[in-house]
Amino acid sequence: DQQVKQNSPSLSVQEGRISILNCDYTNSMFDYFLWYKKYPAEGPTFLISISSIKDKNEDGRFTVFLNKSAKHLSLHIVPSQPGDSAVYFCAAYGTYKYIFGTGTRLKVLA
Amino acid sequence: EPEVTQTPSHQVTQMGQEVILRCVPISNHLYFYWYRQILGQKVEFLVSFYNNEISEKSEIFDDQFSVERPDGSNFTLKIRSTKLEDSAMYFCASRRDGSGANVLTFGAGSRLTVL
Repeated sequence: DQQVKQNSPSLSVQEGRISILNCDYTNSMFDYFLWYKKYPAEGPTFLISISSIKDKNEDGRFTVFLNKSAKHLSLHIVPSQPGDSAVYFCAAYGTYKYIFGTGTRLKVLA
Repeated sequence: EPEVTQTPSHQVTQMGQEVILRCVPISNHLYFYWYRQILGQKVEFLVSFYNNEISEKSEIFDDQFSVERPDGSNFTLKIRSTKLEDSAMYFCASRRDGSGANVLTFGAGSRLTVL
């Protein structure tokens, strides 16, 4: 039962361009959505979140968009930098737990 | 910046042995979690813990798993009789209160290898 899905296992982007990572969910009861970044051999680190009552949240180079009717969220990174290369997980919060997607490996090419 | 600390960073064990993974959550946090990630797969929820009891657990968290907060700082995950498929990275996480707006802060993980 995959309540949170990231359909693209990997993405390559040129440095300076926009990276768009996508996430779909099935449970309309989720009320917060988060993006985490993970480097090998480290724990996930928080990037940005959005409440279900909003449709956009921005923090520096990172913007998260939420489309509730489509049950879809996306993370935009502009401009992309080589240091952004990592695995990105979206997560949804509901009923005392966070459900994570399968992750998208982003590679930013210099 | 406060952080979640996990030990050991890597443990190798024989199948059937008991393993205890330890975590020190951030000191003013009240909600504690264990997640695991099998190599190359998603980060899977195991259990959440609040007020000295389990608040939610997944179907993965069967009778061979248990959690404990033996004192005011440690939060442990015990696997009673390890199986090969328990090999994974185990992440402890904590957050301050029950609002979903609170960020879950993860430790660096404990890698468990079952031979």
